Amino acid sequence: QITLKESGPTLVKPTQTLTLTCTFSEFSLSTSGVGVSWIRQPPGKALEWVALIYWDDDKRYSPSLKNRLTITKDTSKNQVVLKMTNMDPVDSATYYCARYISNSPLYYFDYWGQGTLVTVSS
Amino acid sequence: QTVVTQEPSLAVSPGGTVTLTCASTTGAVTSVDYPNWFQQKPGQAPRALIYSTVNKHSWTPARFSGSLLGGKAALTLSGVQPEDEAEYYCLLYTGGTWVFGGGTKLTVL
Repeated sequence: QITLKESGPTLVKPTQTLTLTCTFSEFSLSTSGVGVSWIRQPPGKALEWVALIYWDDDKRYSPSLKNRLTITKDTSKNQVVLKMTNMDPVDSATYYCARYISNSPLYYFDYWGQGTLVTVSS
Repeated sequence: QTVVTQEPSLAVSPGGTVTLTCASTTGAVTSVDYPNWFQQKPGQAPRALIYSTVNKHSWTPARFSGSLLGGKAALTLSGVQPEDEAEYYCLLYTGGTWVFGGGTKLTVL
């Protein structure tokens, strides 16, 4: 079955760069219409959409975070990497990755990882 | 930047019907905003329920349905079960990116 799993540091210091990896199985990012997205959720708060990479390497970022984000994919490893620079305590959150399907007029995020909690503190 | 608004909280009795809504500051929500709905229970990852306004995933219970209602996206639960108590989030497509609503905490009394 389709699975996604997030990995990365649980603790980062302010101003550092966060690097998170989403490793997935049973689907391919080389398939037309497929993407992987990152979503985050601060403790006790709402979900926030962060970034999305498409099968054709098109990339989209949250306007409020765009200047700090880079999303890349390694199709051979079935991995998507998110880098976020200049981390701040307000970036402390559970970070999720999810599969995205684009099949006009149907667009959806169906399978999600379990999430990884990142705390920003000195 | 687009802000997506949901009712902060709603309550419903078991067996009852409740409708959650999702509004956008850019104007009426339409089918080309491709509304998605998710359910999240404490300590769990979100679970996808509805996509592109009305479509259900294979695992979505029949009592959940999506629609457009009065310029908003809507999620209706008919015949609510105790296990439906959760946070519900809508997600809208806007200008090439996606925006989540603030969530609705649904209490089953």
